[in-house]
Amino acid sequence: DTAVSQTPKYLVTQMGNDKSIKCEQNLGHDTMYWYKQDSKKFLKIMFSYNNKELIINETVPNRFSPKSPDKAHLNLHINSLELGDSAVYFCASSHGGTDTQYFGPGTRLTVL
Amino acid sequence: QQQVKQSPQSLIVQKGGISIINCAYENTAFDYFPWYQQFPGKGPALLIAIRPDVSEKKEGRFTISFNKSAKQFSLHIMDSQPGDSATYFCAAPLNAGNNRKLIWGLGTSLAVNP
Repeated sequence: DTAVSQTPKYLVTQMGNDKSIKCEQNLGHDTMYWYKQDSKKFLKIMFSYNNKELIINETVPNRFSPKSPDKAHLNLHINSLELGDSAVYFCASSHGGTDTQYFGPGTRLTVL
Repeated sequence: QQQVKQSPQSLIVQKGGISIINCAYENTAFDYFPWYQQFPGKGPALLIAIRPDVSEKKEGRFTISFNKSAKQFSLHIMDSQPGDSATYFCAAPLNAGNNRKLIWGLGTSLAVNP
């Protein structure tokens, strides 16, 4: 039983392309997050949605656009990919105001 | 501004030894202190957490020690095993208006030698 799943697991693409990453959680949580983890393992929150509403939008280039079609799904679309976008992107979810976050397996994005 | 300072950056311990990772925080409004464990190729997972009304919490070989006056909390792994080799993150929640977000330490890469 996968709690938080992401697709694809690996994504290799050329600079300038547009790509999407999808996330789904079956935990019944109402809050979902996107994180970026760089090569030094630093975890940086990018976005958070609560019941499909954007509640946290960190300083992220507007080439990154999250979308939450329902509270179980949170997708991330990236336009005009750059070399610096290469990282592992994690989706996570939590229940309401609780602080325990459940992470997906990550999507390793490589921009060539 | 790094609100949660984690050390050391990397740690090598012999099997059976004690691993100690420290975190210092600045914001006295923090009210929850979790530690997450991340294995290579996996997402972080909650390992153990503490609230500031207690000074210590133990779960099996893992213990959090909390020092409110020093604004520090640490993770102790007793009888460290090679299977404990992972990256460990401390974190604390920051209130931002009606929202909360976790502020993360930079991580500690632990290697336990057999």
